[in-house]
Amino acid sequence: GAVVSQHPSRVICKSGTSVKIECRSLDFQATTMFWYRQFPKKSLMLMATSNEGSKATYEQGVEKDKFLINHASLTLSTLTVTSAHPEDSSFYICSARRLAAWGEQFFGPGTRLTVL
Amino acid sequence: KQEVTQIPAALSVPEGENLVLNCSFTDSAIYNLQWFRQDPGKGLTSLLLIQSSQREQTSGRLNASLDKSSGRSTLYIAASQPGDSATYLCAGGMEYGNKLVFGAGTILRVKS
Repeated sequence: GAVVSQHPSRVICKSGTSVKIECRSLDFQATTMFWYRQFPKKSLMLMATSNEGSKATYEQGVEKDKFLINHASLTLSTLTVTSAHPEDSSFYICSARRLAAWGEQFFGPGTRLTVL
Repeated sequence: KQEVTQIPAALSVPEGENLVLNCSFTDSAIYNLQWFRQDPGKGLTSLLLIQSSQREQTSGRLNASLDKSSGRSTLYIAASQPGDSATYLCAGGMEYGNKLVFGAGTILRVKS
């Protein structure tokens, strides 16, 4: 149990376009989902926390108009990178936490975004 | 502000050795401490989760300890195998586990 999927696994896009990444909890309901970004050979940095049915909470320094997060259901959260630029190229990983899981987060396989 | 440090940054050992990975954190008010494994280009696999009230957790050849007073956690891997080669990340859970602060990881290579 506790499987999290992401789609797509890889995406290449042109500068100025928007890209949507989906994060799904496959076998459990996730009231809270998290979005992380990982630069090459660096650790994960939390971007934002999303709760089902409410607005996401963004970490300091993360542009909320740039990285739009929607958590419309208990099994799906989406991250949209708007007007993408090469500096947005990164590895984006989501995680989900189920009810009464003592804070444990289960991570998706990640999405590699390359902006040309 | 919580800061998590992992030592060593990289480690290469022959197959069969027992090894210890270290993780230290600056804020002892952690809710939990989690160890993950990350293979190249992949997501994270949770290995062990230690609640703040616990001292250690074990799963197979893995044992993780937590000492909040000294701000340290260790991951012990017994009888290492080439398949254990990966990056190991520790993360301190803050704000009831809602915020994970990650270390930079230890890149482990187990040679056959």
